Amino acid sequence: GAVVSQHPSWVICKSGTSVKIECRSLDFQATTMFWYRQFPKQSLMLMATSNEGSKATYEQGVEKDKFLINHASLTLSTLTVTSAHPEDSSFYICSARVAGSETQYFGPGTRLLVL
Amino acid sequence: GNSVTQMEGPVTLSEEAFLTINCTYTATGYPSLFWYVQYPGEGLQLLLKATKADDKGSNKGFEATYRKETTSFHLEKGSVQVSDSAVYFCALSPKLSGGSNYKLTFGKGTLLTVNP
Repeated sequence: GAVVSQHPSWVICKSGTSVKIECRSLDFQATTMFWYRQFPKQSLMLMATSNEGSKATYEQGVEKDKFLINHASLTLSTLTVTSAHPEDSSFYICSARVAGSETQYFGPGTRLLVL
Repeated sequence: GNSVTQMEGPVTLSEEAFLTINCTYTATGYPSLFWYVQYPGEGLQLLLKATKADDKGSNKGFEATYRKETTSFHLEKGSVQVSDSAVYFCALSPKLSGGSNYKLTFGKGTLLTVNP
């Protein structure tokens, strides 16, 4: 149980294009989903927290117009990197948690390479 | 604010050696504590957790005990295997009431390599 999937697992795009990453909780309803960014050999940096049906809360220094987050249902959240640039290249990981539980379950990650 | 400090790697061990990865934390109140493992190219997997003082989390031969007096949650395994090679993250989540999203605070991660 508690499986979280991400799609795509990796994506290569040209600079200036937008990329959408999906995060799904497969066997549970996720009250809250989190989006992280991880640079090589570094820890996870929380980008934003999203609750179903409401606007995402972004961490300090994360551009909300750059990284659009939509949490349309209890099993799906999307992260759109708009007008991507090479410095946006990174490993993006989502996680989800159930109401009343503090445990987060992580997706396998999406590797983005912007050329 | 909350913070997690874990021993920096890399840690290299031979198969069947004893493993300890130290983790200490700073937090208000009594947070829940976690160890996550990340295998190469993958996302994080919950390895074990403890939610109150003196609790011991265990899974797959790994153990960690929540020590309030030393604010520590050290990860141990008696006999590591090659398949244990991964990055291990210690994390905490505050127990806050009403409206909390239980944000995780992570340590920097410790790379473990186990050689045959």
